[in-house]
Amino acid sequence: SQQGEEDPQALSIQEGENATMNCSYKTSINNLQWYRQNSGRGLVHLILIRSNEREKHSGRLRVTLDTSKKSSSLLITASRAADTASYFCATAGLNTGNQFYFGTGTSLTVIP
Amino acid sequence: EPEVTQTPSHQVTQMGQEVILRCVPISNHLYFYWYRQILGQKVEFLVSFYNNEISEKSEIFDDQFSVERPDGSNFTLKIRSTKLEDSAMYFCASSEDSAYNEQFFGPGTRLTVL
Repeated sequence: SQQGEEDPQALSIQEGENATMNCSYKTSINNLQWYRQNSGRGLVHLILIRSNEREKHSGRLRVTLDTSKKSSSLLITASRAADTASYFCATAGLNTGNQFYFGTGTSLTVIP
Repeated sequence: EPEVTQTPSHQVTQMGQEVILRCVPISNHLYFYWYRQILGQKVEFLVSFYNNEISEKSEIFDDQFSVERPDGSNFTLKIRSTKLEDSAMYFCASSEDSAYNEQFFGPGTRLTVL
């Protein structure tokens, strides 16, 4: 199974602090993507990082990828209450280009 | 900004009934997907669809499931005889060029099987 696993499962921080979530996966990938899901809502794409990339930035988001460790991290800087959501990583394998495997997610709560 | 839409937002059905969940992908996208998320669990891949045929499917996507693109805009998921365990959120997604690029998700249809 290629499913990613995030940790921690739940994270609670104060507004203004940074939040770091980690994702591990099992097989070689073409890319890894991070999504946000607000409670009971759809998935919002945040950032895509390809297997030949090590770091990407998008606004307050910073994603790293370590293919040797089969892991990725998502850093949200200067968190806001509106960042409260579940965050998932999803991987696209080398030979399963049209399948996407989601992790279990990290539930982030940002306290105002 | 273009977005994926899904209807209905909530579907309640009796066990054994057929349901059809509808999606309108982003217009210039070529790849379409269905996922499901049982309450409190991870999002699970069901099927991908390209060039009017299934390109990949998971073990979950058994003979009770089928997908169709009946016209140039809609993409449907049919469950022939629903079971209690089919209760979940069903998400449609589309991408320009396979899972090697970002997938855009719809808001989901909550299916409740009684």
